[in-house]
Amino acid sequence: NAGVTQTPKFQVLKTGQSMTLQCAQDMNHNSMYWYRQDPGMGLRLIYYSASEGTTDKGEVPNGYNVSRLNKREFSLRLESAAPSQTSVYFCASSAGLATEAFFGQGTRLTVV
Amino acid sequence: GDSVTQMEGPVTLSEEAFLTINCTYTATGYPSLFWYVQYPGEGLQLLLKATKADDKGSNKGFEATYRKETTSFHLEKGSVQVSDSAVYFCALSRSQGGGSQGNLIFGKGTKLSVKP
Repeated sequence: NAGVTQTPKFQVLKTGQSMTLQCAQDMNHNSMYWYRQDPGMGLRLIYYSASEGTTDKGEVPNGYNVSRLNKREFSLRLESAAPSQTSVYFCASSAGLATEAFFGQGTRLTVV
Repeated sequence: GDSVTQMEGPVTLSEEAFLTINCTYTATGYPSLFWYVQYPGEGLQLLLKATKADDKGSNKGFEATYRKETTSFHLEKGSVQVSDSAVYFCALSRSQGGGSQGNLIFGKGTKLSVKP
């Protein structure tokens, strides 16, 4: 079972470059999420999609955009990368609002 | 707003020691509660969960009981192993989600190191 698949696993960007992080889930889940994890900060929600066709800002949305392409896929885009966006990014999905989330393996992004 | 507070780490134990990681929460309504574990270089994995008051979640020797009267969900294990070294996250999931928190609220994590 693939679960939640994120690509790429590692990425180095130069300041100002753009990139899209891809996420796909095969569990037929309604809700999907993007988090970033930084030392000492725990997980912080960037954007989420409660259901197909909807997206909402999380705690730290500035500098990011998202697209819920279909029920399976939820991408995160950095339009102009900044060193402050160096982090580990996790995608997650859940069946509904009150159920547990399943996480991808993460993308380690470094912006130089 | 809703929140989760867990004990700060790092926690260092010897193999076979007893483990407790404290977690308390603030929430309206009746959230579900979870413990997640993150091994080095990996994503978070669900360790156990409880969906209503007095439920006990258990998995791999770990246990936690949903205590509504003390708003707590402490994680315990009777005898830890080196392989339990990881970061542990307490979380709640609320049925009325939305806003900048979404519906999943995580604590900041507690790093556990177990020495042989």
